[in-house]
Amino acid sequence: KQEVTQIPAALSVPEGENLVLNCSFTDSAIYNLQWFRQDPGKGLTSLLLIQSSQREQTSGRLNASLDKSSGRSTLYIAASQPGDSATYLCAVKKSHWGADGLTFGKGTHLIIQP
Amino acid sequence: EAQVTQNPRYLITVTGKKLTVTCSQNMNHEYMSWYRQDPGLGLRQIYYSMNVEVTDKGDVPEGYKVSRKEKRNFPLILESPSPNQTSLYFCASSLMTGGASGELFFGEGSRLTVL
Repeated sequence: KQEVTQIPAALSVPEGENLVLNCSFTDSAIYNLQWFRQDPGKGLTSLLLIQSSQREQTSGRLNASLDKSSGRSTLYIAASQPGDSATYLCAVKKSHWGADGLTFGKGTHLIIQP
Repeated sequence: EAQVTQNPRYLITVTGKKLTVTCSQNMNHEYMSWYRQDPGLGLRQIYYSMNVEVTDKGDVPEGYKVSRKEKRNFPLILESPSPNQTSLYFCASSLMTGGASGELFFGEGSRLTVL
């Protein structure tokens, strides 16, 4: 059964720093990997989706990479801002039409200090 | 605006009193799903639907029912709620056809407390 691990569980850094969040998964046979952001008491906002055939995706200050063979993904946040404070979740999907949904990690709780 | 809408957003109820959490999406998505989020356990799938009249169990379906009579709606039904169903519930949807990426879109969540 697929397991997704996110390290670190929590991270606090000063504003302006570049930072990396890590996600690892045990079964490399995935269809895609999605990074989400969750603010307290709110829903999940999709940040980036990487298909299994892709190596990375970029959106603004965010860059997500995928190394399927090693079961790893990273989310790089450049020039962090206090508004980036949230919990970041990664999730993998095994197949497009398959019966399974997303398998989520438990998230990294990020605090950007002003 | 493209969105997934859940109602109610907050609900406090008592054990055994049937309730329904509604979910509606306006993106013509085939796939819809329900998740629950609990501290220390993360997000777990309850039920999903690949299309109208097609539903199936996820990882934690016990105590829940769903129906998919229309493409846009996917209600979650708790016939006899119990305190262990106190949780934060999310509905999600995605487009599956036409070369879609399968990106999942989530609602704002429904916080349910069962006393």
